[in-house]
Amino acid sequence: TQLLEQSPQFLSIQEGENLTVYCNSSSVFSSLQWYRQEPGEGPVLLVTVVTGGEVKKLKRLTFQFGDARKDSSLHITAAQPGDTGLYLCAGAKETSGSRLTFGEGTQLTVNP
Amino acid sequence: NAGVTQTPKFRILKIGQSMTLQCTQDMNHNYMYWYRQDPGMGLKLIYYSVGAGITDKGEVPNGYNVSRSTTEDFPLRLELAAPSQTSVYFCASSYSTFSGAGANVLTFGAGSRLTVL
Repeated sequence: TQLLEQSPQFLSIQEGENLTVYCNSSSVFSSLQWYRQEPGEGPVLLVTVVTGGEVKKLKRLTFQFGDARKDSSLHITAAQPGDTGLYLCAGAKETSGSRLTFGEGTQLTVNP
Repeated sequence: NAGVTQTPKFRILKIGQSMTLQCTQDMNHNYMYWYRQDPGMGLKLIYYSVGAGITDKGEVPNGYNVSRSTTEDFPLRLELAAPSQTSVYFCASSYSTFSGAGANVLTFGAGSRLTVL
């Protein structure tokens, strides 16, 4: 059973479009991270959200942590080809120590 | 600053062969991890370590072994390679497990692609 469900699994859009990626769980997390991974490389951290209802912006990317700290979303405005990559959410729990739980990822392709 | 360095980047093994994936970090992180990544399956934790001399199993430890004799190095050993171990392996490290914005932030290596035939 996947603890963190990401949707959609694949997304192919045209440059300039907006999109939202979701990360959902029935469990409560103390914090949630979003990573982006490009082909042939390891994931790189984009943001960490720690407070229920928190919204963080990173240029054209907006991250939100659900009020109950069970879900998160990533919204990209006016997507560009450089946004292409695998987006992974990862949750931390107080009871899991240093271990993160990763979602399955959303593969985003932005076509010029 | 090299971060997390993994070797080799690519390797092909025959069934039953053994090999070690090397991982070293220069950030003085206490925590280190090995993940495997299969298409559409996200990252699965194999083993992790909270400090030199301490290791523990993750979600998918069968067929693997690790050691942590120094803070910097965390090698992953495959004793009898099987086709099910064909995957991309990522080593990662982190400096904190406390809650908050800095909690459990992982720095990953570039990955090692292993094929078992």
